[in-house]
Order: sequence, then structure tokens, then C-alpha cells
Amino acid sequence: QVQFGQSGAEVKNLGASVKVSCKASGYTFTNYAMHWVRQAPGQRLEWMGWINSGNGNTKYSQKFQGRVTITRDTSATTAYMELSSLRYEDTAVYYCARSGFSSSTPFDYWGQGTLVTVSS
Amino acid sequence: EIVLTQSPGTMSFSPGDRATLSCRASQTVRTNYVAWYQQKPGQAPRLLIYEASIRRTGIPDRFSGSGSGTDFTLTISRLEPEDFAVYYCQQYGRSPETFGQGTKLEL
Repeated sequence: QVQFGQSGAEVKNLGASVKVSCKASGYTFTNYAMHWVRQAPGQRLEWMGWINSGNGNTKYSQKFQGRVTITRDTSATTAYMELSSLRYEDTAVYYCARSGFSSSTPFDYWGQGTLVTVSS
Repeated sequence: EIVLTQSPGTMSFSPGDRATLSCRASQTVRTNYVAWYQQKPGQAPRLLIYEASIRRTGIPDRFSGSGSGTDFTLTISRLEPEDFAVYYCQQYGRSPETFGQGTKLEL
């Protein structure tokens, strides 16, 4: 069955970077897109960007443009999300989520989430 | 971006009740590309409904979705104890994909 294993919780200093991984299994990795969505405490879900796991093309939310980088390693069936210049408001749970390649498909499977805490 | 507003933020019910959750978009959602997700504490969201009214395989038929344009509804016909959770709507017809702020169903 489709499963995602995300990396463990992180505590980072203000201004640092964090890289979260999402190991996929149970399906053909390169046939789907991978999105990254975050949820700050008490806030709504927020889409950050996505990667075409086949050709590596990416698209980012304008809010995070310049600070977020999404990559993938097809041999490891793993997607990565790196967020730089961390701010206190980046404290959140970060999820990976799968969709079809079309930009108009829902997120059918999600990772368990990775808590990133930004502190001084 | 398309802003989704879910109201109310919290709804109180008893098992067996019928729940109707609302999601309103600030602009018309292309081709009714609206999904509904269920999230329980400490868990990832789970896809229930997509394209406004299509129930995902394996989702009980007490869950149904409807609506078009800017107004969408998730209905749970008879609440089961495991249905008490937070429900989010999402539009994925225009980037950036956006979510509502959620409606919490409580006992």
C-alpha cells in the first residue's frame, strides 16, 4: 500500500535552514507529483509547492518563493523540502502529500508530518 | 488566490445526527475542483471527497459532497463516534491550492 515515511522532528535556530525528507513506497514514485503542505499551530493547511517526481519540474507558492526548494531522488524514491532563512512563524508541522501530475488532482495520500520548531 | 471560508468553526452534535458543513470560495472554483479532508488529532489529513461530490473509494456512503461555483457542502448523514474530527475543504482548480480554516465537529 502507499506509504510515506517522513524524517523526524527538528529544532532550528532563527535564520537557519531545515531539510525534511519523505520516503515513498507502495507505488511507482515517478508517476506522481509530490506536494508539501504545512500547518502552523491553530492555523489552516498551507500549500508550499510541488515537484513532478518524473522530470523534476517544480512550482512554488509565491509566499515561499526564494526560500523553499523541493527536490527528489528517484533512486531513493524520496522527496525533500528545504526551507531557508527560518522565522519563528515557520514553526509548523510539514506534510508531504501525493497527487496526480495534472495540476487539478487532489492529494490522495499524506505523510505523517514532521514538526519543525524555530527557536532562538 | 482563492480564499475558502468554512463556517462555523465548531459544531456540536450527538452520534446519529446529520451534519452539514459549509465551504464558500471567494471566486468560482474551476470545474468544481473542491476536495474535503478529515483530520484527527496527531494525524495527517485524509481525503474523503474530490471534484466536489465524488466519494473516494473506501469512504463510507454516509459522507457526501455537493455544490458548485462558490458554495460547497459536505454532509455526514448519520454521525458515528469516529467522525468527530476537523474537516477541511480545499480548492485545487487554481494555483496556489488553498484550504479552508476547518470545521471541528465535537460531541
